[in-house]
Amino acid sequence: GESVGLHLPTLSVQEGDNSIINCAYSNSASDYFIWYKQESGKGPQFIIDIRSNMDKRQGQRVTVLLNKTVKHLSLQIAATQPGDSAVYFCAERSHGQNFVFGPGTRLSVLP
Amino acid sequence: EPEVTQTPSHQVTQMGQEVILRCVPISNHLYFYWYRQILGQKVEFLVSFYNNEISEKSEIFDDQFSVERPDGSNFTLKIRSTKLEDSAMYFCASSELAQRETQYFGPGTRLLVL
Repeated sequence: GESVGLHLPTLSVQEGDNSIINCAYSNSASDYFIWYKQESGKGPQFIIDIRSNMDKRQGQRVTVLLNKTVKHLSLQIAATQPGDSAVYFCAERSHGQNFVFGPGTRLSVLP
Repeated sequence: EPEVTQTPSHQVTQMGQEVILRCVPISNHLYFYWYRQILGQKVEFLVSFYNNEISEKSEIFDDQFSVERPDGSNFTLKIRSTKLEDSAMYFCASSELAQRETQYFGPGTRLLVL
């Protein structure tokens, strides 16, 4: 079902630590996934993507892991910085369909 | 770096009024999108637009909504007879023809219907 609410899950991490943000998806036919970052007052910003024929993809300080067996996606941010504070959400898509977005996780970086 | 821009940043309207939200996509992009995000909820797809016509739309995008590319740079979303539940952030996005999946989002227009 669809999650509705004003309170996002929050992850608080110390500056310099690694962050892991998780996303569960429901459509086993989804073949493409994106992680977005949304800072306050701004639109979603593309971070990294992964296709279903991969289980890991690395970018600059970010890694996305895909576990199709349990329909789980994670975003790892290395050496988290204050500028990483934002809401992060995943988006999934099956071929020919439009993106379905997750509810998001608020990342708070503590000094 | 080129970016998607949207105007206005905030719009307050009375229930039943029509609003037009404006977007200027990135200049060499050919796919355009509108999304909405009700406060505290997920981003939801509304419509995609290519070659001067709607290519896909969600069930949210009913007859109350319409999109238009009136000139070579603007992409608009019109909401006729606004309802209270239309209050949301509306995001425009655009993408290149060759990389449709990489969508660049604008900063959004916050619409409040009273």
